[in-house]
Amino acid sequence: DAGVIQSPRHEVTEMGQEVTLRCKPISGHDYLFWYRQTMMRGLELLIYFNNNVPIDDSGMPEDRFSAKMPNASFSTLKIQPSEPRDSAVYFCASSASGMSGNTIYFGEGSWLTVV
Amino acid sequence: AQSVTQPDIHITVSEGASLELRCNYSYGATPYLFWYVQSPGQGLQLLLKYFSGDTLVQGIKGFEAEFKRSQSSFNLRKPSVHWSDAAEYFCAVGPTGGFKTIFGAGTRLFVKA
Repeated sequence: DAGVIQSPRHEVTEMGQEVTLRCKPISGHDYLFWYRQTMMRGLELLIYFNNNVPIDDSGMPEDRFSAKMPNASFSTLKIQPSEPRDSAVYFCASSASGMSGNTIYFGEGSWLTVV
Repeated sequence: AQSVTQPDIHITVSEGASLELRCNYSYGATPYLFWYVQSPGQGLQLLLKYFSGDTLVQGIKGFEAEFKRSQSSFNLRKPSVHWSDAAEYFCAVGPTGGFKTIFGAGTRLFVKA
Protein backbone atom coordinates (compact mmCIF):
# COMPACT_ATOMS: atom_id res chain seq x y z
CA ASP A 1 0.00 0.00 0.00
CA ALA A 2 1.20 3.49 -0.75
CA GLY A 3 2.08 5.55 2.28
CA VAL A 4 1.69 9.27 2.77
CA ILE A 5 3.15 11.04 -0.23
CA GLN A 6 4.66 14.48 0.03
CA SER A 7 6.06 16.84 -2.57
CA PRO A 8 8.44 18.41 -3.08
CA ARG A 9 10.98 16.44 -1.08
CA HIS A 10 13.41 19.34 -1.11
CA GLU A 11 12.90 22.99 -1.85
CA VAL A 12 15.22 25.96 -1.69
CA THR A 13 13.58 29.31 -2.13
CA GLU A 14 14.35 32.96 -1.61
CA MET A 15 12.93 34.98 1.20
CA GLY A 16 9.62 36.54 0.24
CA GLN A 17 8.63 33.83 -2.19
CA GLU A 18 5.54 31.70 -1.85
CA VAL A 19 6.05 28.08 -0.93
CA THR A 20 3.45 25.36 -1.43
CA LEU A 21 3.89 21.92 0.07
CA ARG A 22 1.64 19.10 -1.03
CA CYS A 23 0.40 15.94 0.58
CA LYS A 24 -1.58 12.87 -0.39
CA PRO A 25 -2.72 10.92 2.66
CA ILE A 26 -3.19 7.19 2.85
CA SER A 27 -6.41 6.20 1.13
CA GLY A 28 -9.25 5.74 3.61
CA HIS A 29 -7.66 7.83 6.34
CA ASP A 30 -9.91 10.58 7.61
CA TYR A 31 -7.38 12.56 9.65
CA LEU A 32 -4.55 14.57 8.17
CA PHE A 33 -1.81 16.37 10.09
CA TRP A 34 0.87 18.86 9.24
CA TYR A 35 3.94 18.91 11.48
CA ARG A 36 7.08 20.99 11.43
CA GLN A 37 10.40 19.75 12.73
CA THR A 38 13.35 21.94 13.66
CA MET A 39 16.39 21.44 15.83
CA MET A 40 15.26 24.14 18.23
CA ARG A 41 11.59 23.26 18.62
CA GLY A 42 11.48 19.59 17.77
CA LEU A 43 8.28 18.21 16.26
CA GLU A 44 5.39 20.66 16.32
CA LEU A 45 1.82 20.03 15.23
CA LEU A 46 0.74 22.89 12.99
CA ILE A 47 -2.78 21.89 12.03
CA TYR A 48 -4.95 18.87 11.59
CA PHE A 49 -8.04 18.03 9.57
CA ASN A 50 -10.85 15.56 10.02
CA ASN A 51 -12.89 14.68 6.96
CA ASN A 52 -11.29 17.61 5.13
CA VAL A 53 -12.34 20.11 7.82
CA PRO A 54 -9.67 21.92 9.86
CA ILE A 55 -10.12 20.95 13.50
CA ASP A 56 -7.23 22.60 15.28
CA ASP A 57 -4.92 25.18 13.75
CA SER A 58 -3.56 26.53 17.01
CA GLY A 59 -0.08 25.45 16.04
CA MET A 60 0.09 27.53 12.89
CA PRO A 61 2.79 30.06 13.68
CA GLU A 62 1.30 33.12 12.00
CA ASP A 63 -0.88 34.37 9.21
CA ARG A 64 1.79 33.68 6.64
CA PHE A 65 0.92 30.02 6.99
CA SER A 66 -2.24 28.51 5.59
CA ALA A 67 -3.43 24.98 4.95
CA LYS A 68 -6.23 23.56 2.89
CA MET A 69 -7.73 20.18 2.23
CA PRO A 70 -10.03 20.44 -0.78
CA ASN A 71 -10.72 16.71 -0.86
CA ALA A 72 -9.92 13.51 0.98
CA SER A 73 -6.82 12.78 -1.06
CA PHE A 74 -5.03 16.10 -1.17
CA SER A 75 -3.81 18.83 1.16
CA THR A 76 -1.54 21.83 0.84
CA LEU A 77 0.46 23.89 3.28
CA LYS A 78 1.32 27.33 1.98
CA ILE A 79 3.77 29.88 3.29
CA GLN A 80 3.48 33.38 1.88
CA PRO A 81 5.78 35.22 2.13
CA SER A 82 8.48 32.82 3.27
CA GLU A 83 11.20 33.83 5.72
CA PRO A 84 14.52 32.19 6.62
CA ARG A 85 13.13 31.13 10.00
CA ASP A 86 10.62 28.94 8.16
CA SER A 87 13.45 26.64 7.14
CA ALA A 88 12.51 23.23 8.53
CA VAL A 89 11.27 19.81 7.63
CA TYR A 90 7.52 19.74 7.13
CA PHE A 91 5.80 16.42 7.62
CA CYS A 92 2.38 15.41 6.51
CA ALA A 93 0.79 12.48 8.31
CA SER A 94 -2.53 10.69 8.28
CA SER A 95 -4.57 8.48 10.54
CA ALA A 96 -7.82 6.56 10.49
CA SER A 97 -10.42 6.82 13.21
CA GLY A 98 -11.61 3.53 14.58
CA MET A 99 -8.58 1.64 13.39
CA SER A 100 -5.24 1.07 15.05
CA GLY A 101 -6.21 3.56 17.71
CA ASN A 102 -4.72 6.88 16.72
CA THR A 103 -1.69 5.47 14.93
CA ILE A 104 -0.23 8.24 12.82
CA TYR A 105 1.58 7.44 9.59
CA PHE A 106 4.14 9.95 8.40
CA GLY A 107 5.33 10.94 4.98
CA GLU A 108 9.00 11.32 4.17
CA GLY A 109 8.90 15.06 4.72
CA SER A 110 9.50 18.19 2.69
CA TRP A 111 12.86 19.78 3.46
CA LEU A 112 12.47 23.54 3.08
CA THR A 113 15.34 25.99 3.01
CA VAL A 114 14.58 29.70 2.75
CA VAL A 115 17.61 31.84 1.90
CA ALA B 1 -1.69 18.96 31.22
CA GLN B 2 -0.78 16.14 28.90
CA SER B 3 2.93 15.78 28.25
CA VAL B 4 5.65 13.39 27.25
CA THR B 5 9.16 13.53 28.64
CA GLN B 6 12.18 11.82 27.22
CA PRO B 7 14.88 12.59 29.79
CA ASP B 8 17.83 11.67 27.60
CA ILE B 9 18.65 13.96 24.69
CA HIS B 10 21.20 11.49 23.39
CA ILE B 11 22.56 8.09 24.32
CA THR B 12 25.62 6.22 23.10
CA VAL B 13 25.82 2.45 23.30
CA SER B 14 28.23 -0.09 21.93
CA GLU B 15 27.10 -2.40 19.18
CA GLY B 16 25.79 -5.60 20.73
CA ALA B 17 24.99 -3.97 24.04
CA SER B 18 21.49 -3.66 25.42
CA LEU B 19 19.47 -0.47 25.13
CA GLU B 20 16.79 1.22 27.16
CA LEU B 21 15.27 4.55 26.20
CA ARG B 22 13.16 6.25 28.79
CA CYS B 23 9.76 7.83 28.35
CA ASN B 24 7.46 9.31 30.97
CA TYR B 25 4.05 10.70 30.27
CA SER B 26 1.43 12.74 32.01
CA TYR B 27 -2.15 11.99 31.10
CA GLY B 28 -5.40 11.81 33.02
CA ALA B 29 -6.70 8.57 31.60
CA THR B 30 -5.32 5.44 30.03
CA PRO B 31 -3.30 6.67 27.10
CA TYR B 32 -2.40 5.22 23.78
CA LEU B 33 1.40 5.06 23.72
CA PHE B 34 3.75 4.89 20.77
CA TRP B 35 7.40 4.73 19.89
CA TYR B 36 8.56 6.05 16.52
CA VAL B 37 12.01 5.97 14.95
CA GLN B 38 13.44 8.53 12.57
CA SER B 39 16.53 7.69 10.56
CA PRO B 40 18.54 10.59 9.12
CA GLY B 41 16.71 12.22 6.24
CA GLN B 42 13.63 10.10 6.73
CA GLY B 43 10.16 10.42 8.15
CA LEU B 44 8.99 8.88 11.39
CA GLN B 45 8.28 5.16 11.34
CA LEU B 46 6.12 3.41 13.92
CA LEU B 47 8.09 0.92 16.02
CA LEU B 48 5.34 -0.23 18.35
CA LYS B 49 2.22 0.87 20.17
CA TYR B 50 0.28 0.10 23.32
CA PHE B 51 -3.48 0.44 23.69
CA SER B 52 -4.50 -2.11 26.27
CA GLY B 53 -3.87 -5.65 27.45
CA ASP B 54 -0.40 -7.07 27.86
CA THR B 55 1.83 -4.33 29.17
CA LEU B 56 4.85 -5.68 27.32
CA VAL B 57 4.52 -4.99 23.63
CA GLN B 58 6.69 -6.20 20.82
CA GLY B 59 7.56 -4.10 17.85
CA ILE B 60 9.53 -4.21 14.66
CA LYS B 61 13.31 -4.53 14.42
CA GLY B 62 13.53 -6.46 17.69
CA PHE B 63 12.30 -3.63 19.92
CA GLU B 64 9.94 -3.98 22.84
CA ALA B 65 8.42 -1.58 25.34
CA GLU B 66 6.80 -1.99 28.72
CA PHE B 67 3.91 0.10 29.99
CA LYS B 68 4.11 0.74 33.72
CA ARG B 69 1.06 2.61 34.91
CA SER B 70 2.38 3.13 38.43
CA GLN B 71 5.44 4.89 37.06
CA SER B 72 3.73 6.58 34.11
CA SER B 73 6.46 5.16 31.94
CA PHE B 74 6.74 3.44 28.60
CA ASN B 75 10.41 2.59 28.16
CA LEU B 76 11.78 1.15 24.94
CA ARG B 77 14.25 -1.71 25.05
CA LYS B 78 16.36 -3.81 22.76
CA PRO B 79 18.59 -6.62 23.99
CA SER B 80 21.34 -6.18 21.39
CA VAL B 81 21.83 -3.01 19.42
CA HIS B 82 22.97 -3.00 15.80
CA TRP B 83 24.78 -0.15 14.09
CA SER B 84 21.71 0.37 11.90
CA ASP B 85 19.68 1.29 15.00
CA ALA B 86 21.44 4.66 15.15
CA ALA B 87 18.58 7.12 14.76
CA GLU B 88 16.31 9.40 16.72
CA TYR B 89 13.55 7.84 18.77
CA PHE B 90 10.31 9.54 19.71
CA CYS B 91 7.85 8.55 22.37
CA ALA B 92 4.28 9.74 21.88
CA VAL B 93 1.00 9.68 23.74
CA GLY B 94 -2.41 9.84 22.12
CA PRO B 95 -5.63 10.54 23.98
CA THR B 96 -8.40 8.02 23.64
CA GLY B 97 -11.09 9.21 21.28
CA GLY B 98 -9.02 12.13 20.10
CA PHE B 99 -6.29 12.73 17.61
CA LYS B 100 -3.92 15.27 19.04
CA THR B 101 -0.98 13.00 19.62
CA ILE B 102 1.79 14.54 21.69
CA PHE B 103 5.41 13.74 20.87
CA GLY B 104 8.40 13.85 23.15
CA ALA B 105 11.51 15.81 22.24
CA GLY B 106 13.26 12.68 21.04
CA THR B 107 16.37 10.75 22.05
CA ARG B 108 19.19 10.45 19.58
CA LEU B 109 20.91 7.08 19.69
CA PHE B 110 24.54 6.74 18.69
CA VAL B 111 26.02 3.27 18.23
CA LYS B 112 29.75 2.78 18.51
CA ALA B 113 31.68 -0.12 17.11
